[in-house]
Amino acid sequence: KAGVTQTPRYLIKTRGQQVTLSCSPISGHRSVSWYQQTPGQGLQFLFEYFSETQRNKGNFPGRFSGRQFSNSRSEMNVSTLELGDSALYLCASSLAGLSNEQYFGPGTRLTVT
Amino acid sequence: DQQVKQNSPSLSVQEGRISILNCDYTNSMFDYFLWYKKYPAEGPTFLISISSIKDKNEDGRFTVFLNKSAKHLSLHIVPSQPGDSAVYFCAASFPFSGNTGKLIFGQGTTLQVKP
Repeated sequence: KAGVTQTPRYLIKTRGQQVTLSCSPISGHRSVSWYQQTPGQGLQFLFEYFSETQRNKGNFPGRFSGRQFSNSRSEMNVSTLELGDSALYLCASSLAGLSNEQYFGPGTRLTVT
Repeated sequence: DQQVKQNSPSLSVQEGRISILNCDYTNSMFDYFLWYKKYPAEGPTFLISISSIKDKNEDGRFTVFLNKSAKHLSLHIVPSQPGDSAVYFCAASFPFSGNTGKLIFGQGTTLQVKP
């Protein structure tokens, strides 16, 4: 069974721009969670989607948003990029309700200049 | 407010010996705990988990112990192998209702296993 895939793997953007990251979960997994990893803050939960609905949200500004499609694929968007948004963005999928265990993709490394 | 803490940033052990990674938490509402391993340029890989109703779970070379009264869990790796060298994250979750899909992570411990 294929794992979680994320595209692109690396991205360089300029302050003020916006960016969209994509995540394809493991087949059959309906829950997708997004995390931001930085050296200072560690792994921080952004939000979780299930059946195209955002069910849970972390403490991030409204510039961070996401969505989920009917095939469970998910995208997250960051608008008006700031230097502090430079991070590794990780997506994780799970069966949602059958297990707390989440399976992570390789991440997208975003650099904001 | 760091609810999950891994107080040792790094640990070095000899191949074949036991590695013990520790994790403390502050919120007694957590009901499920997980350990992940992370190599550079890869996402975290799930290793082992434990429910708060248990005090021990084993999977091959990996054993997790949970001490609820001390709000402490540990991961034992026996025997340690050089391929185990990675960053290990402890994570916790709340009961599903109202907190779906959210794991709270510790800061990680870098394990180095020397041949």
